[in-house]
Amino acid sequence: DSGVTQTPKHLITATGQRVTLRCSPRSGDLSVYWYQQSLDQGLQFLIQYYNGEERAKGNILERFSAQQFPDLHSELNLSSLELGDSALYFCASSGGLRSPLHFGNGTRLTVT
Amino acid sequence: DQQVKQNSPSLSVQEGRISILNCDYTNSMFDYFLWYKKYPAEGPTFLISISSIKDKNEDGRFTVFLNKSAKHLSLHIVPSQPGDSAVYFCAASARSEDDMRFGAGTRLTVKP
Repeated sequence: DSGVTQTPKHLITATGQRVTLRCSPRSGDLSVYWYQQSLDQGLQFLIQYYNGEERAKGNILERFSAQQFPDLHSELNLSSLELGDSALYFCASSGGLRSPLHFGNGTRLTVT
Repeated sequence: DQQVKQNSPSLSVQEGRISILNCDYTNSMFDYFLWYKKYPAEGPTFLISISSIKDKNEDGRFTVFLNKSAKHLSLHIVPSQPGDSAVYFCAASARSEDDMRFGAGTRLTVKP
């Protein structure tokens, strides 16, 4: 158990809809990362937050947004969903720079 | 941008033999490298790391080698066990940046 909790585990929704994925980091970790893994693809970095502030941005679409709340949990919002957004979305947390990331078990999003 | 590349999508080895997984990177600013292992329906888990001041790091059956001039690292597993069958991701980060970049992964199958 990595200590990182992601909900929901599965999400099925239709094109054009909006969903919110939630992540609770490991106790004490201030950094939260979001990654997308499409079918048999690598982990694509989306965005990182540190103690409530956006720290780094990767290949995140404008239709996607995220935030980290004062209690350090994070949410990834995906809007105007397209079929190509179907993927596994992973959240990870770390205790600081040069620390390994600890991943949750992911949310599988299916857009129909 | 594929800054971290794992060119072999899959690798099959016999139990007891050595498994060698390879990873190349293009960003010369990367100075911290990690390997993660991923089982189905789970998030990636940290396996071993190496910083650019070293060229080798060992942890039990797992050894990571770093060749900075070639921008190449490898993970050796000796002896390989059936329980090592998983997808292995190579990851890298730069001191100046907070994000961590992952390769596409290599699926290792260890046959009994």
